[in-house]
Parts: sequence; C-alpha cells; structure tokens
Amino acid sequence: GQNIDQPTEMTATEGAIVQINCTYQTSGFNGLFWYQQHAGEAPTFLSYNVLDGLEEKGRFSSFLSRSKGYSYLLLKELQMKDSASYLCAGLFGSARQLTFGSGTQLTVLP
Amino acid sequence: DVKVTQSSRYLVKRTGEKVFLECVQDMDHENMFWYRQDPGLGLRLIYFSYDVKMKEKGDIPEGYSVSREKKERFSLILESASTNQTSMYLCASSFRGGGNTIYFGEGSWLTVV
Repeated sequence: GQNIDQPTEMTATEGAIVQINCTYQTSGFNGLFWYQQHAGEAPTFLSYNVLDGLEEKGRFSSFLSRSKGYSYLLLKELQMKDSASYLCAGLFGSARQLTFGSGTQLTVLP
Repeated sequence: DVKVTQSSRYLVKRTGEKVFLECVQDMDHENMFWYRQDPGLGLRLIYFSYDVKMKEKGDIPEGYSVSREKKERFSLILESASTNQTSMYLCASSFRGGGNTIYFGEGSWLTVV
C-alpha cells in the first residue's frame, strides 16, 4: 500500500501559526484530504486538494505539491480548541478508499 | 445535516463472542467503510462496500466480515472476538467517486476481555 508520513506530535502557542507537513508516494496519486479529530470524536473534513497550490478556508489553509509528494496544513491564530489530531489521507490509483497517515497530535498551549 | 450513526458507542465483550457493529447513514451514499483506529497506527481500512450486497477487503480484513443488505446500513461482524480486536471502530460513508468527502460516525469503542 501507499505510505503517508506525518509527524506524530507538535506543540504550539495560542495565537501562533503552525504548519503540519505530510509526505506521500507520488505513484498513482489522485488527491489529498485533511481531517481534524478531537479526542473521542469522529474525524471531520477540513480540506481536499487535487491541484498544486494553496487553498484557504478561514484560519486553515492547505497546500499541495504533486510533483514533490508533499502537502501541509497551515493553522493561523491558533486557539485552544485547535488542540486535536490532524489526519492526512491520500487517494491513489483507482481506489475508492483513502489511505490515512497516523495523524499528528497538535497541542495548543496558553 | 450529514449523519452517520453507529449503534453502540461503548461495548465490552468476552473472547469468543460474536459481535455486531451497526452503522446507518442518511445521505443516500453509495460507498460505506469500516475502519479501526489504534494509537500510532492511524486509521486502517477493514472492509468497504460500494453498493448493496457488494464488499471489498481493505488492509486488515482478517477476523472480520461485513454485510450490506440495504444501501443505508453497513454492519461489521466479529465472528469470534479476540483481545487484539480491542479498538475504536469507525464507520464512514461517501458518494461514489474517489474525490468525494468521507463522513465519519462517532466511533464504537470495543473492549474484548
């Protein structure tokens, strides 16, 4: 299967900016999702990138470089409620299902 | 509002028991999925279904089976539960086509003792 790699943990301060990186194997790549998951809750959709570039949605932005097999999720003006696990997931080949990374646990400190 | 409902949030079962996890979605989605989530391993796909009575194995199907008799309902079955199946199980659904957003249920925490 495809490998999706992202850091296990990150820590940042309230009000700051944090970038969560995700790398993947480019073979058969079709698109990349980011999900947010609070402890004990279901993952919720944040973004979907197919083309190269940056997509902005309020405080959250997601970037994709297809040639480099690289994406990042950028969170601005961090709030305490942004403490959560952020899941990177790729769509490959003819697969109907996503391949998920292990998730990045973000802790926002006051 | 999008809704994926899992019948049980928390279950405790004994080794060897047969376990049913039920999932219902009200969005008329063609695709439905069962994942398990374990610390450090992320979400791993057990089975998915892209139509009624259709199923495909995911990455870790061993020890599990599924049933999709109606479009809105997708059941995960553990024929003989084992302690290594203690995990959080997530059901999800999406429209047909790989680029469509997947919506998740709230998860079922299964402990096998």
